[in-house]
Amino acid sequence: QQQVKQSPQSLIVQKGGISIINCAYENTAFDYFPWYQQFPGKGPALLIAIRPDVSEKKEGRFTISFNKSAKQFSLHIMDSQPGDSATYFCAASIGGGNAGKSTFGDGTTLTVKP
Amino acid sequence: DTAVSQTPKYLVTQMGNDKSIKCEQNLGHDTMYWYKQDSKKFLKIMFSYNNKELIINETVPNRFSPKSPDKAHLNLHINSLELGDSAVYFCASSPDGGTEAFFGQGTRLTVV
Repeated sequence: QQQVKQSPQSLIVQKGGISIINCAYENTAFDYFPWYQQFPGKGPALLIAIRPDVSEKKEGRFTISFNKSAKQFSLHIMDSQPGDSATYFCAASIGGGNAGKSTFGDGTTLTVKP
Repeated sequence: DTAVSQTPKYLVTQMGNDKSIKCEQNLGHDTMYWYKQDSKKFLKIMFSYNNKELIINETVPNRFSPKSPDKAHLNLHINSLELGDSAVYFCASSPDGGTEAFFGQGTRLTVV
């Protein structure tokens, strides 16, 4: 049973466009939702994260939107750049963090065309 | 200064062999993990250790055995390697109750 479902599997966006990646979760006990960014040949790295007591968090061009009632959250990348081309993973965990108990989505490969 | 380092970066070996991957973190974290990323980039946790004690063991074949000599090191031993073990293995660490996992650069294991 997959607890965190991520879509789309791949995404192609033109430079300057908006990239949107969606995730849905099932376990209402999840209380921390990070997004990780992974470049080829590298390990994932934390990009931005949100807790369910807020509906939106913005850091630069990256925004997480969170809908607790729908059990969904999404990553928006504004003004997408070729350097944003990477694989993005959403994740969810219980207990205010506990990074190691995070359940990861299946990843989205983003390609930003110049 | 690499925060989480693992060696080797690439490992090619024949079926049936036994191999080890080493991981060290210099972040002072208490918790370390091994993740497996398959060819479709799916990322799954295998093991979690907290201060040298096994916390999580996710339905991993017992051919895989983690060993933590101290809280800064978590090595992964794999016996009787199979073709299906081919993947990228990531070591990671986090502080106790921490919200972020810090990943190493991965070890690409290819079993031929």
